[in-house]
Amino acid sequence: GQQLNQSPQSMFIQEGEDVSMNCTSSSIFNTWLWYKQDPGEGPVLLIALYKAGELTSNGRLTAQFGITRKDSFLNISASIPSDVGIYFCAGTFSNTNAGKSTFGDGTTLTVKP
Amino acid sequence: GAVVSQHPSRVICKSGTSVKIECRSLDFQATTMFWYRQFPKQSLMLMATSNEGSKATYEQGVEKDKFLINHASLTLSTLTVTSAHPEDSSFYICSARGFNSPLHFGNGTRLTVT
Repeated sequence: GQQLNQSPQSMFIQEGEDVSMNCTSSSIFNTWLWYKQDPGEGPVLLIALYKAGELTSNGRLTAQFGITRKDSFLNISASIPSDVGIYFCAGTFSNTNAGKSTFGDGTTLTVKP
Repeated sequence: GAVVSQHPSRVICKSGTSVKIECRSLDFQATTMFWYRQFPKQSLMLMATSNEGSKATYEQGVEKDKFLINHASLTLSTLTVTSAHPEDSSFYICSARGFNSPLHFGNGTRLTVT
């Protein structure tokens, strides 16, 4: 089946630093999604990407859909304490697998004030 | 604001009882809803895919008679954990996707079976 490799698994950074995380897959996707999950809550959609090569920003967040359709990255600029949480990538190839999304294992971000 | 509402957010029940969790899409019609289980510090584990008006499709290893899913309308899916046992204690999350909308998640339900 489809698998996503998300890295890094965890990050410990200083407030103000930039963050970069990525996901790679052995299969192609036609949608990449990035989510943030706070403890005890459901994941919240941050950015949705629909085209290979697409670069999309949401405030301090920027994500790109890789040209090969097998990878995506998420950058966070000038991190702040509330960026703490677990970030998940998800890939979907709508025409197969009943449109189910495949999720990465998450990147746990810790921001030190 | 939230586009997918999940209720209840927390529930404590006694072993042997059944618990129903609701998942509603608030401002779009959800053609497909998904139910997940999440263990601490792990990713989401897909349990089943629910399409309106048809039977849910369960992932391998998920007991369909234990986790009953009903997707009665384009805005509501329910997951019933039947005859719950302590090992069913977990964080259950639903997600929903519409015709032209990405996947949105509910806020999760923390189930504790005593």
